[in-house]
Amino acid sequence: AQKVTQAQTEISVVEKEDVTLDCVYETRDTTYYLFWYKQPPSGELVFLIRRNSFDEQNEISGRYSWNFQKSTSSFNFTITASQVVDSAVYFCALSERSGNQFYFGTGTSLTVIP
Amino acid sequence: NAGVTQTPKFRILKIGQSMTLQCTQDMNHNYMYWYRQDPGMGLKLIYYSVGAGITDKGEVPNGYNVSRSTTEDFPLRLELAAPSQTSVYFCASRANSNQPQHFGDGTRLSIL
Repeated sequence: AQKVTQAQTEISVVEKEDVTLDCVYETRDTTYYLFWYKQPPSGELVFLIRRNSFDEQNEISGRYSWNFQKSTSSFNFTITASQVVDSAVYFCALSERSGNQFYFGTGTSLTVIP
Repeated sequence: NAGVTQTPKFRILKIGQSMTLQCTQDMNHNYMYWYRQDPGMGLKLIYYSVGAGITDKGEVPNGYNVSRSTTEDFPLRLELAAPSQTSVYFCASRANSNQPQHFGDGTRLSIL
C-alpha cells in the first residue's frame, strides 16, 4: 500500500494565483515525521519543511504555508501568489520513528504560467 | 560543508559494462540511501544503510550492489549494465529518523 499519496499529478496555474498541493499519508506509528521537497527543472532535490506528528500547528514561511491535519492524515502545501520560479515537482514524504526508510509520494508537477 | 557529494555527474555506459557510482557525505550521518528517478517519475529506493557495515534492500535492488565500509562512503555498483538502468541516481543521507534527507546533485546515467 502506498504510504504517501499525492493524487495531483500535474497542476497548472497562472502567475499570482494561489495553489494547494495535496498530500495524504498512512501510518500506524504514533510518532512520525512529514516532509516536503522541491525539485526544480535543474534537477536537485531541495528540502522545504519538516513536521512531527505532535505538532499540528500550521506553518508559514513567506508565500509558502503548510496545513497538517492528523484527523484526515493530510499535510497540504499552499503557495500564495505563485511565481514562475515556483514551477517544479514537489514531493511529500513520510518517515516513521520505528523504521529506517523514507517514503516519498509520486510528486506533483506544478507549472506556473506567466 | 560539502554535504552529499556524488561522482560522476554524467556517464554513458555500453550494455554489459560495469561501474561504481560514488557517494560521500561529510555530516557524520548514519543513514544513507540510493534512489533512482526515471524520466518524469518519482524516486524509487534501491538500497539503504543505517550505519557502517549494515545495508538493506529497497524497492528495486536487482542489478545493483552496495557496500558501507565507512560512515562517509556509500558506493553503488552496477554489474552488467542494461538499458533499463538508464536513470538519474540520487544519493541521500540523514542523521536519524526525525531528520530530513540531504541529497546529492545526482548522477545522470545512460546505457546504450
